[in-house]
Amino acid sequence: GAVVSQHPSWVICKSGTSVKIECRSLDFQATTMFWYRQFPKQSLMLMATSNEGSKATYEQGVEKDKFLINHASLTLSTLTVTSAHPEDSSFYICSARGFRESTEAFFGQGTRLTVV
Amino acid sequence: GQNIDQPTEMTATEGAIVQINCTYQTSGFNGLFWYQQHAGEAPTFLSYNVLDGLEEKGRFSSFLSRSKGYSYLLLKELQMKDSASYLCAALDSNYQLIWGAGTKLIIKP
Repeated sequence: GAVVSQHPSWVICKSGTSVKIECRSLDFQATTMFWYRQFPKQSLMLMATSNEGSKATYEQGVEKDKFLINHASLTLSTLTVTSAHPEDSSFYICSARGFRESTEAFFGQGTRLTVV
Repeated sequence: GQNIDQPTEMTATEGAIVQINCTYQTSGFNGLFWYQQHAGEAPTFLSYNVLDGLEEKGRFSSFLSRSKGYSYLLLKELQMKDSASYLCAALDSNYQLIWGAGTKLIIKP
């Protein structure tokens, strides 16, 4: 299957700083990338959907100025958590889908963010 | 609204069979996925059904009934490594994935 690489796997940062998470599709072109957040013992919560070359579509309740998403190419999307606070500590996962709309979502490894 | 229901937690014995059910209500339907997620890891794809019926893949099988808005994941010959959360997700008319909360499967020796 297709490979999606997410980096870093885990990060600890100080409150008030910004953190960038990268998501790369290694062997296919991802027209659409999704960013999820998952709190312990809860399901995936979609934060935003990004299409290459256009602005991301954010889900209700997700602050677009706080969670900056850039999808500059068909193989790379980034999520920047700006001015992170302890409540932003979570597991962030990206997924990518190719040109066929019915294709499965391929997930990155996830990023465990801890804000101290 | 759109909704996916699946049990929160199930317990089964090593070597046995377990069936995890999922019911869905979506705006349009373009298929149903099952994913496995171990704690602290990203979900991994198990199956995709878009037509009614049973799809078998080794120890895992997935069933779909579109008229009933129902699917199940069947796991046979359970192994300890099958302890994980199993996520059901439906594709709506906009090809958006609608996720269930997941079923935590606990395997006992």
